Amino acid sequence: QQQVKQSPQSLIVQKGGISIINCAYENTAFDYFPWYQQFPGKGPALLIAIRPDVSEKKEGRFTISFNKSAKQFSLHIMDSQPGDSATYFCAASRMEYGNKLVFGAGTILRVKS
Amino acid sequence: KAGVTQTPRYLIKTRGQQVTLSCSPISGHRSVSWYQQTPGQGLQFLFEYFSETQRNKGNFPGRFSGRQFSNSRSEMNVSTLELGDSALYLCASSLARGDSPLHFGNGTRLTVT
Repeated sequence: QQQVKQSPQSLIVQKGGISIINCAYENTAFDYFPWYQQFPGKGPALLIAIRPDVSEKKEGRFTISFNKSAKQFSLHIMDSQPGDSATYFCAASRMEYGNKLVFGAGTILRVKS
Repeated sequence: KAGVTQTPRYLIKTRGQQVTLSCSPISGHRSVSWYQQTPGQGLQFLFEYFSETQRNKGNFPGRFSGRQFSNSRSEMNVSTLELGDSALYLCASSLARGDSPLHFGNGTRLTVT
């Protein structure tokens, strides 16, 4: 019930291409869905987040698409750059439970120049 | 504004010992959460503190404990260390609970031999 499944495990994209990472969740009580970016030796950093009352949210080159009926959400990185090479984690939580996030397993993104 | 500070960065302990990790949140942040990151299990929630009270706890044995002080600084303690406790321990702070952005520190790398 608490799982968040993330795919793919790893992704190689050419510079300028679109990177797409997908997540699926089981618990319909989740109401907050953030994406985090982590570089080696650093802690995760919040990229963008969405609530289920919105189907899409865009911030710069990063877009979250949310499909409530399918219990899926995805991260799109437009015009991917070598500097975007990092590990990306989706997460989900119930806001009433505070900061108890359930994370996906992570996607290692490599952008080739 | 200074970010989340975790000390020490690296720690090597022997099985059976205990360890205390420290976290200084961003100034003004009252919520502190702890996460364990391992290659096998990924990012897992340990516990969250808000106003010196534990608000939420993950699925970890009682050997894992924490506390928060009146200045919001937090410590976590692991007693009777096991080899499987080797991990990156991440602290995150936020202004409030729920959908307030989590700001992670760079973690403490604990190795148990």
